[in-house]
This record gives sequence, structure tokens and C-alpha cells, in this order.
Amino acid sequence: GAGVSQSPSNKVTEKGKDVELRCDPISGHTALYWYRQSLGQGLEFLIYFQGNSAPDKSGLPSDRFSAERTGGSVSTLTIQRTQQEDSAVYLCASSLAGGEGSPFFGPGTRLTVL
Amino acid sequence: GENVEQHPSTLSVQEGDSAVIKCTYSDSASNYFPWYKQELGKRPQLIIDIRSNVGEKKDQRIAVTLNKTAKHFSLHITETQPEDSAVYFCAASSGGSNYKLTFGKGTLLTVNP
Repeated sequence: GAGVSQSPSNKVTEKGKDVELRCDPISGHTALYWYRQSLGQGLEFLIYFQGNSAPDKSGLPSDRFSAERTGGSVSTLTIQRTQQEDSAVYLCASSLAGGEGSPFFGPGTRLTVL
Repeated sequence: GENVEQHPSTLSVQEGDSAVIKCTYSDSASNYFPWYKQELGKRPQLIIDIRSNVGEKKDQRIAVTLNKTAKHFSLHITETQPEDSAVYFCAASSGGSNYKLTFGKGTLLTVNP
């Protein structure tokens, strides 16, 4: 595709529900990142995938958060039992093999937990 | 892990003036330093990046400098225009086999016409 795409663009959910956020990276990019941006704040690292290597999950804030990347392409970020503090914009980025290209961001998914 | 500090948090300049944003990092193994511009409600857009084997890089009105000894890097925007108004983020890669980016907290740049 022309760029990183994410779906849905907006998600409103009730506290306690599970949500799934999807990221389609740029074709050929083997590195994929998830970040979270709260209103007016910086970019908080969540998880990083590089090819077939074990992902770096060091940024996931709790065990309610998980992510997978199937077939080295599409990634899904899952948040279980959502809380109000999970409300934020979730941004996905992809790049060529780690260190060989610049990460490009998708448009993000705005998550609102009521 | 990597820690990136960014200053100032806000910067206001007159159109035509220069703007400088500075960042420091903690991990001496970091070797990749991109800068992103984020307009309100939009995604972060890469504007320039530099690798550790280079001390300076320029692209029209934008330049980035890197001092590996002091572990700091800076973004310079010359002849600022109102459309340069945005939040700017610096970032550093953790290096080694993991190219996870750690971001600074951002600088809100306002260019007054």
C-alpha cells in the first residue's frame, strides 16, 4: 500500500470491554511499532516487532495489553477489560529492517473508554 | 533503557526568525536520531534524520546536528514560516539489535506572522 493504515480510525467502548486495533504496515517493511499518545502528550512505546525475532514487549503497561503480528505483516493490538486511562490515540509505524529505514506512522486509532 | 530529554517544551518565534530545539539522550549505543513534526490532529511525519556516523545534515531550511561525545542533537529551522507551527518530537534508537525509538516529550513551536 501507499502508507501505513490503521483501523478503526475511532473506537468508543465501555469500560470493561475488549478492543482490537489493526495495523497494516507498508509492504516490505519488516519492522513494526506500536505507540500510544495521550492528549497533548508525547509518544509512549508499547511494542516492537522485527521480522521473526521475539517482539520487544517492554512498553506494554499491563497484562491487559497484547499484540501479535501474523505472517510478518498485519498486526493487531488487543486491550482486554478496558479502563478509562486506556483512552488515547494508538499509533502504528513501520520501517524497513530495523536500522535500515525511517519509521513511518499510520493515522492512528483514537480510543475512548467511557 | 534509553532516556531522551527535549527542550524547550514551547517555543514562540517571529516569522523569518530561526528556531532551535535540543535533545539529549542517555544510551551511548544509540545510532539513529529522527525528528518528527506533528500538526494538530495529524500523524507524526518524519522531517529529517541523522545517523551516528554523520555530524550534520541539511535539507533546505531544516538542519540537524549531532554531538555523540556529549550525547545531544539539535534541530535547526531557518527562515521560519507560519506553516512550520506544530509539535516537534526528537527520538533516538536504542541501538544494538533493537531499533525501538524512544521519543522526547515534544516542543510546541509557534511561528507568529
